[in-house]
Amino acid sequence: AQKVTQAQTEISVVEKEDVTLDCVYETRDTTYYLFWYKQPPSGELVFLIRRNSFDEQNEISGRYSWNFQKSTSSFNFTITASQVVDSAVYFCALRRGATNKLIFGTGTLLAVQP
Amino acid sequence: GAGVSQTPSNKVTEKGKYVELRCDPISGHTALYWYRQSLGQGPEFLIYFQGTGAADDSGLPNDRFFAVRPEGSVSTLKIQRTERGDSAVYLCASSFDSTGEVHEQYFGPGTRLTVT
Repeated sequence: AQKVTQAQTEISVVEKEDVTLDCVYETRDTTYYLFWYKQPPSGELVFLIRRNSFDEQNEISGRYSWNFQKSTSSFNFTITASQVVDSAVYFCALRRGATNKLIFGTGTLLAVQP
Repeated sequence: GAGVSQTPSNKVTEKGKYVELRCDPISGHTALYWYRQSLGQGPEFLIYFQGTGAADDSGLPNDRFFAVRPEGSVSTLKIQRTERGDSAVYLCASSFDSTGEVHEQYFGPGTRLTVT
């Protein structure tokens, strides 16, 4: 079965704090892809990153960084020095190599207080 | 350029009525997807088009749901005999051809469907 679990339903931090959003996935495929999307209050999903199963290198983009660990089936997302504009629901998603559909987690609502 | 657009942004209908939801993908994107997002949940896959044909419709919940993409661009999701449980935000996404290399999907703002 293919599944994505985001155990943190809501996280509240104060501006400038670092925060990590957890994502655990399940798949028996050897080829798969992982994604993070941001859904701000406006509702439109915004693509953040894609990672394939053969590339475990961590990635940093500005204040965002991603830690992919196949050994624990996790693809965690860290925001450094959080800002109020980071407030949104963040979704982790899995795509099997042989299909095109995304399987989403239930999302984590991040609230960054000023 | 323009992103994925969806119309209407909101639709309120009575139980039992028929509705059509429209999606206009990003120009040049051959792959188009429909998802449904219920309150507090992540999007759930409904159907995927590659060009004009539905390549995967495994997510359609039942035969009241149908989607078309006759010219390989705009797509319409059609729901017959709507039920209150169909109330959700219907999201459309598009991407470049996904039959080879994997491309990220870009989402539209969604249509909020309310069945009363």
